[in-house]
Amino acid sequence: DAKTTQPPSMDCAEGRAANLPCNHSTISGNEYVYWYRQIHSQGPQYIIHGLKNNETNEMASLIITEDRKSSTLILPHATLRDTAVYYCIVMYNTDKLIFGTGTRLQVFP
Amino acid sequence: GAGVSQTPSNKVTEKGKYVELRCDPISGHTALYWYRQSLGQGPEFLIYFQGTGAADDSGLPNDRFFAVRPEGSVSTLKIQRTERGDSAVYLCATGISGSRTDTQYFGPGTRLTVL
Repeated sequence: DAKTTQPPSMDCAEGRAANLPCNHSTISGNEYVYWYRQIHSQGPQYIIHGLKNNETNEMASLIITEDRKSSTLILPHATLRDTAVYYCIVMYNTDKLIFGTGTRLQVFP
Repeated sequence: GAGVSQTPSNKVTEKGKYVELRCDPISGHTALYWYRQSLGQGPEFLIYFQGTGAADDSGLPNDRFFAVRPEGSVSTLKIQRTERGDSAVYLCATGISGSRTDTQYFGPGTRLTVL
C-alpha cells in the first residue's frame, strides 16, 4: 500500500507557485521521498527526490519537514504544461515504486 | 537520445487470447520494471528485472502473467488466457542500475483492451 496521503486535486494560476503537499507520517529513517508526475496519456516522469535536506533542480523544489513526516513539492512558476497528476512516493527498496492516487493539478490561464 | 519505447501502443484482443507486450529500454539500462495502470488509479508494480533475471516478480497477479528479458535488454510481458479485468495501460520503466536512488524512466505504455 502507498505510504503517502495527498489531496486529490488542486488548482493553480499560470505563473504562480504551485505547492503540492504530501503526508508520510510512517516514513522510516532510510526511506527517500520521490515525486513523479504523469501528464495525460503519457508515462510517469521523474521530478525530484530527497532524504532529509531540501532539494532543488531545474523542475522543482522539495521541502521536507524536520521530522520528515511531510513534504511539499514546489513548482515555482506553474505553466499550463504542468497540468498533470503528481505522485508522492516513499521508497526504500528500489525494486518498486508504490503509487497512490496522487494529486491532480490543474493550471489555469 | 531515445527513450523507453513500447509496442504496440494499443492492443485490442478477445477474452481468452494470448498477448505479448514489448519494451525496448534505454541503451545501457540494466534495471527494467513493468507496471500496469487501471483507469483513475496510479501505476501498480508487476515485476522488476536486473539484467536478465527477474529480481522481484511479487506484483504479478497470477500465473497467466509472465515476463522475460533473455538478453538483458528488450523485455516481453506475456499474458495468457486474457480476461476483461486485464484491460489496462501496461507501463515499462528502466533505470541505470536499480540502486536506491535510481531514477526510473517510463515509456508511453501499451493500452490493452480485452473484449
